[in-house]
Amino acid sequence: DADVTQTPRNRITKTGKRIMLECSQTKGHDRMYWYRQDPGLGLRLIYYSFDVKDINKGEISDGYSVSRQAQAKFSLSLESAIPNQTALYFCATSDFQGISGYTFGSGTRLTVV
Amino acid sequence: DAKTTQPTSMDCAEGRAANLPCNHSTISGNEYVYWYRQIHSQGPQYIIHGLKNNETNEMASLIITEDRKSSTLILPHATLRDTAVYYCIVRPRGLIMEYGNKLVFGAGTILRVKS
Repeated sequence: DADVTQTPRNRITKTGKRIMLECSQTKGHDRMYWYRQDPGLGLRLIYYSFDVKDINKGEISDGYSVSRQAQAKFSLSLESAIPNQTALYFCATSDFQGISGYTFGSGTRLTVV
Repeated sequence: DAKTTQPTSMDCAEGRAANLPCNHSTISGNEYVYWYRQIHSQGPQYIIHGLKNNETNEMASLIITEDRKSSTLILPHATLRDTAVYYCIVRPRGLIMEYGNKLVFGAGTILRVKS
């Protein structure tokens, strides 16, 4: 099994619908992150979490919310999806300082029509 | 965080060494150099990191100049599966509470390994 698992892998949804992307990890890491990637652009941070009780906004958090249900689970929600949220979404984890690198999931390709 | 500059793209023959440069002239003493790669639409993959000494692991070698203003990632025997976007990232050492240890990804270098 992958260290960081994202579900679903692909999703097409309609404008205005609520959708949740899920992430689970077996790394035992405290820190988890949600990034989005648009064609031709780098990854941009949406939200991050230091531990179960800690949630922080990243650089592009508007229109998104997150929930850290357990150390191993971090979900991203789009309350009312819009077409410009069409993107590739990645979940990542790191240890306390992130010195040894981040581990990324395989991504969720989301299309909002 | 220090800004990095990488070439947009590079080609490399299969079996040859791929040398990917990165300039980070504004790097400070407490900042690490990290390399990640992203194979088409997959999640980024950590490759290697270093502070000031050269580093080697099973994937690659990292050469950092003495003044730390630039570095080179070396894939010793490139294969077709090494075709990817390679990101050079500089981030502070230690705990950065206000940034959550976030990584800032630039555009990277597209490496094409050709047979």
